[in-house]
Amino acid sequence: AQRVTQPEKLLSVFKGAPVELKCNYSYSGSPELFWYVQYSRQRLQLLLRHISRESIKGFTADLNKGETSFHLKKPFAQEEDSAMYYCALLYNFNKFYFGSGTKLNVKP
Amino acid sequence: EAQVTQNPRYLITVTGKKLTVTCSQNMNHEYMSWYRQDPGLGLRQIYYSMNVEVTDKGDVPEGYKVSRKEKRNFPLILESPSPNQTSLYFCASSSRTGNYEQYFGPGTRLTVT
Repeated sequence: AQRVTQPEKLLSVFKGAPVELKCNYSYSGSPELFWYVQYSRQRLQLLLRHISRESIKGFTADLNKGETSFHLKKPFAQEEDSAMYYCALLYNFNKFYFGSGTKLNVKP
Repeated sequence: EAQVTQNPRYLITVTGKKLTVTCSQNMNHEYMSWYRQDPGLGLRQIYYSMNVEVTDKGDVPEGYKVSRKEKRNFPLILESPSPNQTSLYFCASSSRTGNYEQYFGPGTRLTVT
């Protein structure tokens, strides 16, 4: 059963525009959710985790249990935000499920 | 430098020829995992290990084996590779305390002809 869904394969926005990358999950327990980012020619790395409630590089993500969503948002996109973004769910504290990823392209 | 290393980085092989991809981490992490990345499918977990001698199947374990004899190493073994195992493979490790942040290796691009 697919546990993490990222409906957009590609999202193109202009610099300075708001960005929202969608993530929906299916899990009946208390989810541990993450956003990972892969910049060109770099390793996959953690961007943020829902429980930390941090803003990293201007990105935030709010867990909405009612809608089972964990969308990633940034009010003003920058060109350096262009990357591949993956939403991930930690299931039972041992298995990770990743979404299929969204490629964000920020145009100048 | 804290990191996860994988070898080889690139490998072209033929169907049925056994191969091993090594993974090593120097962060004393308990948790290690293998993923494959395919276009349109994202990352799918193959196997994971909670600690030495403790391994379990992920989402797509068929055709793969792993072992965890030492804390730092977690090799991925393909006993009889097939073309559908052509993919980009990532190893990752994390501490089981704290925020479960996974640290990823650079990836191994495997082609099976």
